[in-house]
Amino acid sequence: AQSVTQPDIHITVSEGASLELRCNYSYGATPYLFWYVQSPGQGLQLLLKYFSGDTLVQGIKGFEAEFKRSQSSFNLRKPSVHWSDAAEYFCAVGKNTGNQFYFGTGTSLTVIP
Amino acid sequence: DTEVTQTPKHLVMGMTNKKSLKCEQHMGHRAMYWYKQKAKKPPELMFVYSYEKLSINESVPSRFSPECPNSSLLNLHLHALQPEDSALYLCASSWRGGSTDTQYFGPGTRLTVL
Repeated sequence: AQSVTQPDIHITVSEGASLELRCNYSYGATPYLFWYVQSPGQGLQLLLKYFSGDTLVQGIKGFEAEFKRSQSSFNLRKPSVHWSDAAEYFCAVGKNTGNQFYFGTGTSLTVIP
Repeated sequence: DTEVTQTPKHLVMGMTNKKSLKCEQHMGHRAMYWYKQKAKKPPELMFVYSYEKLSINESVPSRFSPECPNSSLLNLHLHALQPEDSALYLCASSWRGGSTDTQYFGPGTRLTVL
C-alpha cells in the first residue's frame, strides 16, 4: 500500500505567487514527515521535518508545512515563490515501527516570470 | 560540517568495466545509504549500512556491491552493469539509521552505462 501520496505531478506558478504542494500519508500512528527539494541533477536538500509538537513547521528558504492529522496531510507552503524555487519536491514518511522510509512520487514545480 | 560528498560527479562506463562510486561524510553519522534515482522518479533505496554493517539490501542485483570501510566512507562497486542501470546514484547519511532519522544527501553521481 502506498504510504505517501503527492497528488500533483506538476505545478506551475508565477513568480511572487503563493504555493501549496500537497502530501498525504497513510499510517495509523503519527508518522515522521519530511519535505525535500531537488534541483535538476542535484541531490536532495531537507526543507523541513515534523516529528511532534507544534503542527506548523518552519523550514529553510521561507517554506513552511502544516501537519493535519484529521486529513492525514502535510502540505508544503510558501507565501511568495521565487524563480530559484523551480525544482522537484519530495514528501517523505518515516514510520517508527520497523525500518520503513517512503518517498512520495514528487511534484515538479515550474516558476514563470 | 553538514556535507555529504560523492565522487565522481559523472561516470561513463561500458558493460564490461569495473568502477567504484565513493561517498564520504564527517558528521559523525553511523548510518549510510545508497539510492538509485531515475529521471522524474523518487529515489529508490538500494542499501543501508548501520554501524558499518549492512542492514538493508533491497534485492539489488549482485553487479552492485557495497562496501563500508569505516563509519565515514561508503563505496559502491560496479561490475558488468547494464544500460538500464544508468541513473543518478545518491548517497545519504543519518545519525543511526532508523526510519525516522533525518537523511542528508550528497549531490549524486550521474552514471551512464554504454
